[in-house]
Amino acid sequence: SQKIEQNSEALNIQEGKTATLTCNYTNYSPAYLQWYRQDPGRGPVFLLLIRENEKEKRKERLKVTFDTTLKQSLFHITASQPADSATYLCALDGGNDMRFGAGTRLTVKP
Amino acid sequence: NAGVTQTPKFQVLKTGQSMTLQCAQDMNHEYMSWYRQDPGMGLRLIHYSVGAGITDQGEVPNGYNVSRSTTEDFPLRLLSAAPSQTSVYFCASSTEYRTAGELFFGEGSRLTVL
Repeated sequence: SQKIEQNSEALNIQEGKTATLTCNYTNYSPAYLQWYRQDPGRGPVFLLLIRENEKEKRKERLKVTFDTTLKQSLFHITASQPADSATYLCALDGGNDMRFGAGTRLTVKP
Repeated sequence: NAGVTQTPKFQVLKTGQSMTLQCAQDMNHEYMSWYRQDPGMGLRLIHYSVGAGITDQGEVPNGYNVSRSTTEDFPLRLLSAAPSQTSVYFCASSTEYRTAGELFFGEGSRLTVL
């Protein structure tokens, strides 16, 4: 069956450290993958897109990698800040629609 | 620029009642969709539309109905509400279907079915 798994429900890190979130998928062949941020009570907000022929994408303190052999994407936030605390969702091209993982709730402690 | 607007934000229904969740976007996006979000399960696609007059089913369409008479509006109808439909519903739009464009989400509609 098709699955999208994000490494853990919650991740706690100290301010200034790098947060690494994982998205693994099974039985998909996505042409692209996206990452979204969701704050409590709000809708998801798009952060980054990476295509299957791209290994890495960067945007300010964010970095995304995409390994189609491992069927995995890693999402990094460097120099994390308390304002980065949120739930992060990965989403991938499911063929006819975007399929989402359940998300990882990141808490950055001062 | 309002983006994607959903109403109502909160709704409580009794089992068997029907209602419509409204979604409107002002970005002239062709693609619109409805997701539901439940704890631990991620966002699941209910229905989507690639343009006015065209709709299709997503992953979990049962118990829901949609129509797309204009580019701007994409209402979601619950025909006979059940407790299993208690969830947070999100409407999203994008420039075009399957062009890897980002999805723009509304703020959500929290529905409780008693």
